[in-house]
Amino acid sequence: EPEVTQTPSHQVTQMGQEVILRCVPISNHLYFYWYRQILGQKVEFLVSFYNNEISEKSEIFDDQFSVERPDGSNFTLKIRSTKLEDSAMYFCASSAGTSQFFGPGTRLTVL
Amino acid sequence: SQQGEEDPQALSIQEGENATMNCSYKTSINNLQWYRQNSGRGLVHLILIRSNEREKHSGRLRVTLDTSKKSSSLLITASRAADTASYFCATARGNTGKLIFGQGTTLQVKP
Repeated sequence: EPEVTQTPSHQVTQMGQEVILRCVPISNHLYFYWYRQILGQKVEFLVSFYNNEISEKSEIFDDQFSVERPDGSNFTLKIRSTKLEDSAMYFCASSAGTSQFFGPGTRLTVL
Repeated sequence: SQQGEEDPQALSIQEGENATMNCSYKTSINNLQWYRQNSGRGLVHLILIRSNEREKHSGRLRVTLDTSKKSSSLLITASRAADTASYFCATARGNTGKLIFGQGTTLQVKP
């Protein structure tokens, strides 16, 4: 059964460093998303992406964040200058139009 | 406004019993989706119910949706220890498919 994959599973970085989180969505899906979950809190929407552009973004998704679909398979989330409060689990999701399927997540730890 | 608020926050039952979790939301939706999350892991899509549907079944899962009360319930019948997890409802509205998650219900099924 096709699934969303994410790498790395765990990323540790120093405050102020750039990180790139990678996702491979399900191959015939057209809608892509990033969410995050701070430890012990609920899952929060960050951004949606369709037709090679951002379709919606949350207040969290400020200028430090960017997304890209560099080729036909990968979908990346870049955080330009990480802060301590960016420590969270980041989930990628993809959809063919309705149900969203999530990857296993990348745990980002900012020291 | 808060969307997708679940209750109870925690539920503990014996194996074989049924578990019912409720979700309320505040604005109109396109669909409502239920997810399971095992501790520290990714989100597993369980079931989607559209705004024009009232009830849906999938194996031991039964979901109801009452749009007049802006509420949904997830029933797991004949629970198993492996059902132990957190369960989240997520509402989708608008054109982008963005999901708004609730805080979740933590279910413990004792063998």
